[in-house]
Amino acid sequence: AQSVSQHNHHVILSEAASLELGCNYSYGGTVNLFWYVQYPGQHLQLLLKYFSGDPLVKGIKGFEAEFIKSKFSFNLRKPSVQWSDTAEYFCAVIGGSQGNLIFGKGTKLSVKP
Amino acid sequence: NAGVTQTPKFRVLKTGQSMTLLCAQDMNHEYMYWYRQDPGMGLRLIHYSVGEGTTAKGEVPDGYNVSRLKKQNFLLGLESAAPSQTSVYFCASYGGVGYTFGSGTRLTVV
Repeated sequence: AQSVSQHNHHVILSEAASLELGCNYSYGGTVNLFWYVQYPGQHLQLLLKYFSGDPLVKGIKGFEAEFIKSKFSFNLRKPSVQWSDTAEYFCAVIGGSQGNLIFGKGTKLSVKP
Repeated sequence: NAGVTQTPKFRVLKTGQSMTLLCAQDMNHEYMYWYRQDPGMGLRLIHYSVGEGTTAKGEVPDGYNVSRLKKQNFLLGLESAAPSQTSVYFCASYGGVGYTFGSGTRLTVV
């Protein structure tokens, strides 16, 4: 079965630092990949998604992700983080014929002002 | 506004009590899902439905039941709540353009 691994449990950065959060999925073929953000006490918001085409995907709030098929990876990046980016970030992939999202365990990002 | 609405937003139950969580969507989506979110575990699929009158088990179905009598509603039931079911529950629906999540139900079982 498809699975998703997020490498970092908690990342702490200072404002203006660059961010890269790792995400790997378990098997190839056609994959549909997502990054979601969850601000404290709130529900999930979609940052970006990849279905096909250009492997460099741009999302909201200055985030981008690169799909590298050979590495089964879909890492999230942002060149300069802000305090307001403090949140938990989830990578997800559509798994199986039922179309449900399979989530990684999440990476908590803390940005120090 | 179009979207997914979950009720209630918060609930405290005593062990052994029962309750039903309601998820309603107005986007005419066929697919609907119930997830639970626990610290360090991400979101795990409880049950899902691919259309009115259909339901199926997800990754962590034990202790829960669901019903999809109407296309727009997906109910999640706890027959006899246990402290292990303390969690935040999210409903989602899927249409051609993507997934829409509800704002969650925070359930505490004491």
